[in-house]
Amino acid sequence: QVHLVESGGGVVQPGRSLRLSCAASGFTFSNHAMHWVRQAPGKGLEWVALTSYDGTYKYSADSVKGRFTISRDNSKNSLYLQMDSLRPEDTAVYYCAGDRNYFSYGIMDYWGQGTLVTVSS
Amino acid sequence: QSALTQPASVSGSPGQSITISCTGTSSDVGGYNYVSWYQQLPGKAPKLMIYDVTSRPSGISNRFSGSKSGNTASLTISGLQAEDEADYFCNSYTSSSTVIFGGGTKLTVL
Repeated sequence: QVHLVESGGGVVQPGRSLRLSCAASGFTFSNHAMHWVRQAPGKGLEWVALTSYDGTYKYSADSVKGRFTISRDNSKNSLYLQMDSLRPEDTAVYYCAGDRNYFSYGIMDYWGQGTLVTVSS
Repeated sequence: QSALTQPASVSGSPGQSITISCTGTSSDVGGYNYVSWYQQLPGKAPKLMIYDVTSRPSGISNRFSGSKSGNTASLTISGLQAEDEADYFCNSYTSSSTVIFGGGTKLTVL
């Protein structure tokens, strides 16, 4: 059974940093592109970033470009999101999602339960 | 890049069919057959319902179907059931190799 478990969320002041982690099990992690998707309270889904199966290709949304960095460690079946220079508008539940393919076409087969990040002074 | 355009809400009675639209541009929805649809129940993570415009993952009811014409993709739910009441989101691959979501549609089963 597929499990994606996010961790690392919490309350952080504007301008500070936070690192999210996602532990994967139940599927061959190294065969799948991976995403971070966020959802602000009461709002819709917003794609944040993706990495190809081997970490070679990485893309991010304009709203986080230059501030957030996605990475993965296939030896640990783990996905990460380094979030720097956080802003109040980054407040959201952050989901880790597994893509159907090696390289992403946005088909998110697997989802974690999400971790809440609150940016507030 | 702006979100794909979805109606904020749709509604239907049990047994009826409803359609949710998802409008983008030639750089996303219209340019690729990589549109997916997700169902999100209250307080839960999203669930993949349709991918590659028309394909259903294993275990998804054939009451759910997808289509596309030009820059607009659509999700149709036939034989509406109370358990279908949820938020629905579309997404698409883009010409920048990124992903874009729609704003979401709240489905109410009357």
